Amino acid sequence: AQSVAQPEDQVNVAEGNPLTVKCTYSVSGNPYLFWYVQYPNRGLQFLLKYITGDNLVKGSYGFEAEFNKSQTSFHLKKPSALVSDSALYFCAVRGVLYGQNFVFGPGTRLSVLP
Amino acid sequence: NAGVTQTPKFQVLKTGQSMTLQCAQDMNHEYMSWYRQDPGMGLRLIHYSVGAGITDQGEVPNGYNVSRSTTEDFPLRLLSAAPSQTSVYFCASRNRYQGSSYEQYFGPGTRLTVT
Repeated sequence: AQSVAQPEDQVNVAEGNPLTVKCTYSVSGNPYLFWYVQYPNRGLQFLLKYITGDNLVKGSYGFEAEFNKSQTSFHLKKPSALVSDSALYFCAVRGVLYGQNFVFGPGTRLSVLP
Repeated sequence: NAGVTQTPKFQVLKTGQSMTLQCAQDMNHEYMSWYRQDPGMGLRLIHYSVGAGITDQGEVPNGYNVSRSTTEDFPLRLLSAAPSQTSVYFCASRNRYQGSSYEQYFGPGTRLTVT
């Protein structure tokens, strides 16, 4: 069965500092991995994805994530946090087998303090 | 190109009432799905559809029905609302086939309260 863990409910970081939001996953076979962001009272917006190839993927708003197969992790990172990055972040996984659905983690609330 | 649209944005129901949450997409996506979002639980899949006329159950299907008569529309029906169905509901769509962009596109959500 597929599963996603986001071990931190909340991450606080000062503006200008680097940020990391952690994600680990479990899936049969190779994974498709995604990060989504949700601002208050809004739907989820796609940030970035890992499908294949380079382990470091770059996405919207300066975010990047590193796929680590041995640690089954896909941590989200940004070199310099902005107050406007404060939001709820979801990691999601889908197996590559045909017909598999997305499974989402519980979410991590990021607060960037001025 | 409106993407994924949902109506209504907010709804309050009494226990036992029924209603339909509407979802439409204009991207010609084969795959559509309904999720509910509850605090600390992420998004849980209710039902999904891989094309017109084809639907299947997700992780938490009880108390909900769906149908898919067209590619564009995927309504979610609550048969007899219960307080446990108080949640935020999101509809999503994506391309089904390999070689597509893979990611899902989400609607703005419907906030449902059952009293």
